[in-house]
Amino acid sequence: NAGVTQTPKFRVLKTGQSMTLLCAQDMNHEYMYWYRQDPGMGLRLIHYSVGEGTTAKGEVPDGYNVSRLKKQNFLLGLESAAPSQTSVYFCASSSPGHPAKNIQYFGAGTRLSVL
Amino acid sequence: GQNIDQPTEMTATEGAIVQINCTYQTSGFNGLFWYQQHAGEAPTFLSYNVLDGLEEKGRFSSFLSRSKGYSYLLLKELQMKDSASYLCAADNYGQNFVFGPGTRLSVLP
Repeated sequence: NAGVTQTPKFRVLKTGQSMTLLCAQDMNHEYMYWYRQDPGMGLRLIHYSVGEGTTAKGEVPDGYNVSRLKKQNFLLGLESAAPSQTSVYFCASSSPGHPAKNIQYFGAGTRLSVL
Repeated sequence: GQNIDQPTEMTATEGAIVQINCTYQTSGFNGLFWYQQHAGEAPTFLSYNVLDGLEEKGRFSSFLSRSKGYSYLLLKELQMKDSASYLCAADNYGQNFVFGPGTRLSVLP
């Protein structure tokens, strides 16, 4: 039972390079989220999706784009990486209502360094 | 605005009881979650409150007061493995979670 799988686990980029982070969930969850976590700042929501083909901005969306072409996948793109985007990125998924209660299940994280 | 506040760090002794407080202000509210996060790992779900009162689950209990915008997580019979960060999160009607900065708990022998 894989749950939420993120790839890659680690990545080092140079300023200006682009990359895509992939999140896949096998729990048939409607909602998916991308967060970043920086020391002392907790988890901050970048973008989220409430269903296939839909996306919405979270608290810190600038510099990122997302797509959800299939229900089980949620992609996070960095078009032109900046050092300020050095962080740990977590993907999560959930189902609303009862009994799922919208509990979020997290992937293992992607550690990204932008030099 | 939306804001969640919790203490940055706490220290307790093995076998003791510790209470981690959380206050929140959100534009919408559909429940309060607590997650545990060990260093270098992903957050994992601990508890959920949507109605006022206490929810108990083994050594962990969580309390919510919606009128006061206040919750706490109570950990009993502390063990060394409980050393972790504890994240408080408000469900803003299921589409936009707001997480607090986390409380780093150190359990000493």
